[in-house]
Amino acid sequence: QIQLLQSGAEVVKPGASVKVSCKASGYTFNTHSFIWVRQAPGQGLEWMGWVNPYKQSTVYTQKFQGRVSMTTDASAATTYLELTGLTSDDTAVYFCARENYFASGSYFDYWGQGTRVTVSS
Amino acid sequence: QSTLTQPRSVSGSHGQAVTISCVGSNPYDEFYTYVSWYQQHPGTAPRLIIFDVDKRPSGVPPRFSASRSGTTASLTISGLQLEDEADYYCCAPGVFGTGTTVTVL
Repeated sequence: QIQLLQSGAEVVKPGASVKVSCKASGYTFNTHSFIWVRQAPGQGLEWMGWVNPYKQSTVYTQKFQGRVSMTTDASAATTYLELTGLTSDDTAVYFCARENYFASGSYFDYWGQGTRVTVSS
Repeated sequence: QSTLTQPRSVSGSHGQAVTISCVGSNPYDEFYTYVSWYQQHPGTAPRLIIFDVDKRPSGVPPRFSASRSGTTASLTISGLQLEDEADYYCCAPGVFGTGTTVTVL
């Protein structure tokens, strides 16, 4: 069955970076793009960006441009989110999700379990 | 950057129907053809419940339905069940809605 398995919780200091992984299984990795989404405590879902493993292309939300990097490793069937210059505002649960397609658009049918990132000195 | 605005909360009695609106700021009609809806219970990942405006993935009960008119998408839950208590988010390219908490009275 299709699964997205994310790496474990992280506690990082302000100013540091964090790298979260999302390992896909149960389908051919390069055939679907991913998005990364975060959710601060008690808040809604925030779209961070999109990565296409086949084209090795990315689109980042303007808010995160300059300090976010989304990459993929097809040999490991894994996508990565790296966020630099962390502040307390980056404390959140980070989710990866697989993009699927229909005739005129797309949706997100499988989600990782989430990775809690806490920024604290 | 487009925005999608939802009511903060809606509530209904067990067995009743509730409707959640999702009002977009993007003026282009095509933007809303991509709307999908997600359900999220506390402490869990979001779950897809509607895609392509009004289609349900397998396993999603038929009491969940959706529609779109202009720049507003809507999700209706008919015959509310206790397990429907959750947060609901609409989604279009690049943006999630503000989220709605559904409470079953």
